[in-house]
Amino acid sequence: SQTIHQWPATLVQPVGSPLSLECTVEGTSNPNLYWYRQAAGRGLQLLFYSVGIGQISSEVPQNLSASRPQDRQFILSSKKLLLSDSGFYLCAWKPTASYNEQFFGPGTRLTVL
Amino acid sequence: GDSVTQMEGPVTLSEEAFLTINCTYTATGYPSLFWYVQYPGEGLQLLLKATKADDKGSNKGFEATYRKETTSFHLEKGSVQVSDSAVYFCALSDRSSGSARQLTFGSGTQLTVLP
Repeated sequence: SQTIHQWPATLVQPVGSPLSLECTVEGTSNPNLYWYRQAAGRGLQLLFYSVGIGQISSEVPQNLSASRPQDRQFILSSKKLLLSDSGFYLCAWKPTASYNEQFFGPGTRLTVL
Repeated sequence: GDSVTQMEGPVTLSEEAFLTINCTYTATGYPSLFWYVQYPGEGLQLLLKATKADDKGSNKGFEATYRKETTSFHLEKGSVQVSDSAVYFCALSDRSSGSARQLTFGSGTQLTVLP
């Protein structure tokens, strides 16, 4: 069966510090991968998606970047965090050829102070 | 473009009450429809889905029917429990989304069930 992992689970970082969040998927190959952000009391905002290694599409211009160095690894980064980067970050995957649902990881709670 | 409109919350119910959370959509193609649930501090879990008109998705006592004529996918449960307290998201996946086949989410509805 397929599983998706995210780490760390929680993170508290000062403004201006770098960020690296990692997402890995097991039990599948060539998935579509997605990064979402959920601000407190708000809905989901799609940040990035990837249909293959090294292929990244950005949905929202911002302080963040994403990379996919391996087929089942998706990384969200920032060189300098802003207060507005605080939120709950969710990674998701979907079989490439499917029109169907995405499967979500447990999320990372990021607080920027 | 595609969009999903959800009933605004928060919704507060007593245990064993009947639940309806409204969801309507607009899509350029013929979408698949989903309900996700998010418990506090967790990621989203798929609750149920429907892939064609008149399909009924069901799980854990929740049901939703794909109504193409009214472009709706309302979530219902006959008797809610305290453990159903969570945020519920309606979403669609449209064939016109391209290779990434992204999901379009509603804004979420917070449900609180009181004992």
